[in-house]
Amino acid sequence: EIVLTQSPATLSLSPGERATLSCRASQSIGTYLAWYQQKPGQAPRLLIYDASNRATGFPATFSGSGSGTDFTLTISSLEPEDFAVYYCQQRDSWPFTFGPGTKVDIK
Amino acid sequence: EVQLVESGGGLVQPGRSLRLSCSASGFTFDDYAMHWVRQAPGKGLEWVSGISWNSGSTGYADFVKGRFSISRDNAKNSLYLQMNSLSTEDTALYYCVKDLFTSIAVGGSFDYWGQGTLVTVSS
Repeated sequence: EIVLTQSPATLSLSPGERATLSCRASQSIGTYLAWYQQKPGQAPRLLIYDASNRATGFPATFSGSGSGTDFTLTISSLEPEDFAVYYCQQRDSWPFTFGPGTKVDIK
Repeated sequence: EVQLVESGGGLVQPGRSLRLSCSASGFTFDDYAMHWVRQAPGKGLEWVSGISWNSGSTGYADFVKGRFSISRDNAKNSLYLQMNSLSTEDTALYYCVKDLFTSIAVGGSFDYWGQGTLVTVSS
């Protein structure tokens, strides 16, 4: 099973600041990594797929990068609605797995 | 509009069984793989199981292998999860999830999620 680790666990920032979230895989997964955003009481939303492809409905302030074992989600300028929990997930091999999440909260 | 509506959750005793259902609409159901993902209260996301568009491929998380079984009925646009030998650790909100990719047996990115059905395992 591929294990995903995310850092930091919590990121405290102010609106307008840049957020950089990390996801590391226990073995190479190519670019088979997705990012999801989840707000309290809501289902997760697909944000980025295959490492760098932005999903429908998300602005260009969100970007993903990386390959192999190291991946990054960047939010270039935080809007109030961006404060949420972000999960990475690999689809390289069964069983698909998620990281433990990074909470981006308001400083 | 894509809609995924789960049902079948509830309170069940340890060791008992439960069958979850998901009714899908707004897309061509038999073009896509489907999945179940769960989230324990206050915890993170766990992929539980997935099934290809034609039921030819299925996969399970290690923690449910041999206990859970995924299936689908394309004629009814429905996805199912049969859960046996439930334990307190299976307590979670279970989401029905659509795969992003078409024309792939199981892609493994999840673009639409239902609102979930809560399964509580307790004596």
